[in-house]
Amino acid sequence: QKEVEQNSGPLSVPEGAIASLNCTYSDRGSQSFFWYRQYSGKSPELIMSIYSNGDKEDGRFTAQLNKASQYVSLLIRDSQPSDSATYLCAVMGGYSTLTFGKGTMLLVSP
Amino acid sequence: DAMVIQNPRYQVTQFGKPVTLSCSQTLNHNVMYWYQQKSSQAPKLLFHYYDKDFNNEADTPDNFQSRRPNTSFCFLDIRSPGLGDAAMYLCATSREGIPGYEQYFGPGTRLTVT
Repeated sequence: QKEVEQNSGPLSVPEGAIASLNCTYSDRGSQSFFWYRQYSGKSPELIMSIYSNGDKEDGRFTAQLNKASQYVSLLIRDSQPSDSATYLCAVMGGYSTLTFGKGTMLLVSP
Repeated sequence: DAMVIQNPRYQVTQFGKPVTLSCSQTLNHNVMYWYQQKSSQAPKLLFHYYDKDFNNEADTPDNFQSRRPNTSFCFLDIRSPGLGDAAMYLCATSREGIPGYEQYFGPGTRLTVT
């Protein structure tokens, strides 16, 4: 059974701080990793994808991947109240399917 | 704008009354997925179509069926909804050739069973 684990939170950070979200996965053969943002009552929105070890930056977001440790993280710099949402980590398995973690709720206070 | 569209956005049905949810896409993606998401839970894959090939997850109840009449449309049929089937149903698409098969979600259909 492939598993993706995330701390459910909530993770509370003040506006302007760096939010750090973490994810571990069980399938050592996984090659593709994604972060989705989901506002309450809405559908998931893809914000980052990462396929190689190291860092990938896109605006205020940085995804980090360490395949040896089976660990993926998402850093959000200069956090804004509008970043308050649940962040879902997803790992691609076989047959183009994703396994999602339960998500970490992020709360950014003004 | 190219997108994934789901109808209806909200559906109320009675216990045991069949219901159909629809998904359409203008992205010309060849893979389409149906997920069930309950409150505070991860999206759970029910099934997906890779082109015309139907792939059912092992733990998807028989009560759930799907049809994909063409590339653009996909339907989720719930033959006899129970109270436990109340959830958000999410349609997603991806395309062979996109790195990692990135999936793009529609807005979802919120199903209530009374």
